[in-house]
Amino acid sequence: AQTVTQSQPEMSVQEAETVTLSCTYDTSENNYYLFWYKQPPSRQMILVIRQEAYKQQNATENRFSVNFQKAAKSFSLKISDSQLGDTAMYFCAFMKHAYTDKLIFGTGTRLQVFP
Amino acid sequence: DVKVTQSSRYLVKRTGEKVFLECVQDMDHENMFWYRQDPGLGLRLIYFSYDVKMKEKGDIPEGYSVSREKKERFSLILESASTNQTSMYLCASSSPGGSYEQYFGPGTRLTVT
Repeated sequence: AQTVTQSQPEMSVQEAETVTLSCTYDTSENNYYLFWYKQPPSRQMILVIRQEAYKQQNATENRFSVNFQKAAKSFSLKISDSQLGDTAMYFCAFMKHAYTDKLIFGTGTRLQVFP
Repeated sequence: DVKVTQSSRYLVKRTGEKVFLECVQDMDHENMFWYRQDPGLGLRLIYFSYDVKMKEKGDIPEGYSVSREKKERFSLILESASTNQTSMYLCASSSPGGSYEQYFGPGTRLTVT
């Protein structure tokens, strides 16, 4: 069975600084997808970034980028130029390539951005 | 914009009551999901549905059932609520293939007393 581990329950960063959230996963699959979701204090969960396992290039979305290390089964999220609006719970999630799109989530990292 | 709505933001029920949580999506998505979110445990899948009247158990289905009579609506039912079902419940929808993105509702905070 697949598992997703987020070892940092809480993190904090000063505005404009860079922070990296870690995620590791365990799977025997070769073809899968990885995601970072953000849940702000208002609770609506939104997708931040997605990575296909077959792509070697790390995904980037504006200030958000990932460091995907397939052999090490590591998938960290880097937030550059942190903003107050980045304060949220961040969840790492794994999806086996399948029709039903089932996600397996990590336990989350609470990120606080300070002014 | 995809919109996923849930019938209540906050709900307080008594032990033993039958509880219905409703979820509606407006993007014609085939897949719909019910998750439970608890501190330190992340999101855990209760049930999902990949088509009308089709359902599959997730990781923690005990004590729950679901209903999907129309494509846009997915209901979670607690047949006899218990205090250990006090939690945040999140609904999500997605379209198979494509971006694989799941779109989430705002959540229902259920308290069972």
